[in-house]
Amino acid sequence: QKEVEQNSGPLSVPEGAIASLNCTYSDRVSQSFFWYRQYSGKSPELIMSIYSNGDKEDGRFTAQLNKASQYVSLLIRDSQPSDSATYLCAVRSWAGNMLTFGGGTRLMVKP
Amino acid sequence: AAGVIQSPRHLIKEKRETATLKCYPIPRHDTVYWYQQGPGQDPQFLISFYEKMQSDKGSIPDRFSAQQFSDYHSELNMSSLELGDSALYFCASSLVGTRNEQFFGPGTRLTVL
Repeated sequence: QKEVEQNSGPLSVPEGAIASLNCTYSDRVSQSFFWYRQYSGKSPELIMSIYSNGDKEDGRFTAQLNKASQYVSLLIRDSQPSDSATYLCAVRSWAGNMLTFGGGTRLMVKP
Repeated sequence: AAGVIQSPRHLIKEKRETATLKCYPIPRHDTVYWYQQGPGQDPQFLISFYEKMQSDKGSIPDRFSAQQFSDYHSELNMSSLELGDSALYFCASSLVGTRNEQFFGPGTRLTVL
């Protein structure tokens, strides 16, 4: 079992819809959670970070964390074709500052 | 805002050659990380440095070494290159006290022929 798991997709949503991306992790003592967006051949771009249970909103993005269920999600409202990318969930455990990534979910927003 | 700088952006080497990748972190950031991303894979952590000392070590081959210099830039040295080393190599930087938000550079695409 991978430490961080995501559905590889592709997740296809129409323009203007809400895209929901999910991630589970196995290390109960993980402390910090991040969502990165990565366009093909480009570097990961940090879009959201979340550290405590609940929701965190930033513009069209909402991150949700449930430590009891070891689950973190990202909602993208009013999805745009430019949101089409791979979304990487990353987790930092107590053991060090390195990030462990999930396999990424490819999102396709269709006009 | 200034970002992480990596050089070179592209590098082509033959098997058994050596390569040196450079990383210049965001100004005032004190921690540098190296990640390797193979085709169709997610980034894998290699090694990190905090205040010029190695802080964490991941799946870095013995053929690779890295260091952080007094100006905080870092270099990843790769020897006896193998075909399987072909990948994107990302450097990221962060500042202690900012909950480890890591910002990635544009990457170096290494191709080993």
